Amino acid sequence: QLQLQESGPGLVKPSETLSLTCTVSGGSISTSSYYWDWIRQPPGKGLEWIGSIYYSGSTHYNPSLKSRVTISVDTSKNQFSLKLNSVTAADTAVYYCAREKHLERSWFDPWGQGTLVTVSS
Amino acid sequence: QSVLTQPPSASGTPGQRVTISCSGSSSNIGSNYVYWYQQLPGTAPKVFMYRNNQRPSGVPDRFSGSKSGTSASLAISGLRSEDEADYYCATWDDSLSAVVFGGGTKLTVL
Repeated sequence: QLQLQESGPGLVKPSETLSLTCTVSGGSISTSSYYWDWIRQPPGKGLEWIGSIYYSGSTHYNPSLKSRVTISVDTSKNQFSLKLNSVTAADTAVYYCAREKHLERSWFDPWGQGTLVTVSS
Repeated sequence: QSVLTQPPSASGTPGQRVTISCSGSSSNIGSNYVYWYQQLPGTAPKVFMYRNNQRPSGVPDRFSGSKSGTSASLAISGLRSEDEADYYCATWDDSLSAVVFGGGTKLTVL
């Protein structure tokens, strides 16, 4: 059974870079059938798609975050990562990684448990 | 402001039928499948409906999905207390080249 697990610092200072990693277990990230995505949810608010990466390295980003986001993949470690630079308090959220079906965009299954990242000095 | 519009809240008593709507445009719902996610408090979302109206295994047949034009809906019949959760619709937007979510609907069982 495929599982995803987010990891990274829970506290980031304003103007610095948020860095998270998602480790995939129970299956290979090097598959043509899926994208690998990051999605976030500010406390008490709704879901916001951040972006996706294909095993080949091709990416799609949310236009509202595109200038600050980089998603990368490390197939040797079966991991993909998120970097969000110049963070502010508005970037405080639970960050989820998820698998998305390649030919059926927005079908996310499974999801990681999520990790809370707080932006504060 | 979400690209897809959902009512912020919905409610019903046990046994009732409730419908949650999701409104979009020709570039998203009008040309792509709609997916619904259920999020219980403190947990990650889980896919509850795929390809507009298909239920994953384990989702009760009390839940049904539909799509017409640029709108979609999730209907729950025979409402039960365990249905109380947040529900989100999602789809791909061809103009934005991005996944878009609705703002979410909090379902309360009275």
